[in-house]
Amino acid sequence: DQQVKQNSPSLSVQEGRISILNCDYTNSMFDYFLWYKKYPAEGPTFLISISSIKDKNEDGRFTVFLNKSAKHLSLHIVPSQPGDSAVYFCAASGGYSGGGADGLTFGKGTHLIIQP
Amino acid sequence: DTGVSQNPRHKITKRGQNVTFRCDPISEHNRLYWYRQTLGQGPEFLTYFQNEAQLEKSRLLSDRFSAERPKGSFSTLEIQRTEQGDSAMYLCASSPPGDHEQYFGPGTRLTVT
Repeated sequence: DQQVKQNSPSLSVQEGRISILNCDYTNSMFDYFLWYKKYPAEGPTFLISISSIKDKNEDGRFTVFLNKSAKHLSLHIVPSQPGDSAVYFCAASGGYSGGGADGLTFGKGTHLIIQP
Repeated sequence: DTGVSQNPRHKITKRGQNVTFRCDPISEHNRLYWYRQTLGQGPEFLTYFQNEAQLEKSRLLSDRFSAERPKGSFSTLEIQRTEQGDSAMYLCASSPPGDHEQYFGPGTRLTVT
């Protein structure tokens, strides 16, 4: 069963506008959430993260929001730039043993396309 | 430091052969992870090491897979008697002490013919 779900396989946004990528999870033991960006033929690149004790974390153009009661998180990118076109993965940790050093559980990714 | 490195970047092998991949983590990162990614999926956790100790294995890691991290530095992932279903991107990541963030290498793409 998919414990981390990204229900939109792709998203198209105009340059300069806001991109909102969504992620849902089912395992209530997850205690840390991360977003990664991936270009073809490269490994995932860490973008931003959030602990389950917070509801928002901001880093430049990127903001992650966490709604624990809904088991939902979102990544906002504003303003969107052409270089943001990539596949974005939502990931969570804490689902295996409840600790902080275990493997990440990833969603299937959302392909973000920024149109000029 | 140049980040996590993985070798080889690509490997084509015939079914039934053994293959070995290498991962060099970021120096001073004590934790090292292996993942597998197939087309249209996110990376799937395989196993992780803290220093030289292998602390966790996924059920995806069948008996044909073995990973080592001698001396707590680089790691190797070996697949014995490869099958076509082993074709995937194998990713390595490392993490410093006390951090949740994992930093990935470029991956090794395995094709089993």
